[in-house]
Amino acid sequence: QVQLVQSGSEWKKPGASVRVSCKASGYIFTSNNINWVRQAPGQGPEWMGWIHTNTGNPTYAQGFTGRFVFSFDTSVSTAYLQISSLEAEDTAVYYCARYAGNHRFDYWGQGTLVTVSS
Amino acid sequence: QSALTQPPSASGSPGQSVTISCTGTSSDVGFYNYVSWYQHYPGKAPKLMISEVSNRPPGVPDRFSGSKSGNTASLTVSGLQAEDEADYYCTSYGGTNRLLFGGGTKLTVL
Repeated sequence: QVQLVQSGSEWKKPGASVRVSCKASGYIFTSNNINWVRQAPGQGPEWMGWIHTNTGNPTYAQGFTGRFVFSFDTSVSTAYLQISSLEAEDTAVYYCARYAGNHRFDYWGQGTLVTVSS
Repeated sequence: QSALTQPPSASGSPGQSVTISCTGTSSDVGFYNYVSWYQHYPGKAPKLMISEVSNRPPGVPDRFSGSKSGNTASLTVSGLQAEDEADYYCTSYGGTNRLLFGGGTKLTVL
């Protein structure tokens, strides 16, 4: 069965970097693009963008350029989200989601809480 | 503030029907038939319940249905069951590189 399993919670100080992983199983990794979604405490989710799992070409939503980097390693069927120069406002749960066409996500990871605090 | 507007909460008794709204604009919900609904139990992976306004993926009970009128999409849960108690989020395509989310609705089964 299709699964997206994300890495565990992270606690980072402001200015540090973090990498969140999203390991896919149960399907051919390169068959579906991976999207990333952020949900800050008490707020609705925000779409961060996506990465083409064949070409590696990332697309970042407005507000998620510069410090955010999408990547993947097909040899381990894992997508990554790296955030640099962390700010307190980056404290959120980050989700990966498998794109199923027609602007819908058919499988999601369980989420990774990133806490940024000194 | 989320791009799509959902009521923060909704509730109903077992067996009743509840409808959750998702209001956007003529540039997103009103223009595209790409509205999806997700069910989310806190701490778990969200689950796709409805796509393309009213399509139900395999395995989703037919108690869940979606519709759209103008700039507002709706998710209706009929025959409420205890396990339907969860957070529900709508999304809508909003054009190139724009996927919009609602703020979420907490559904309580009384």
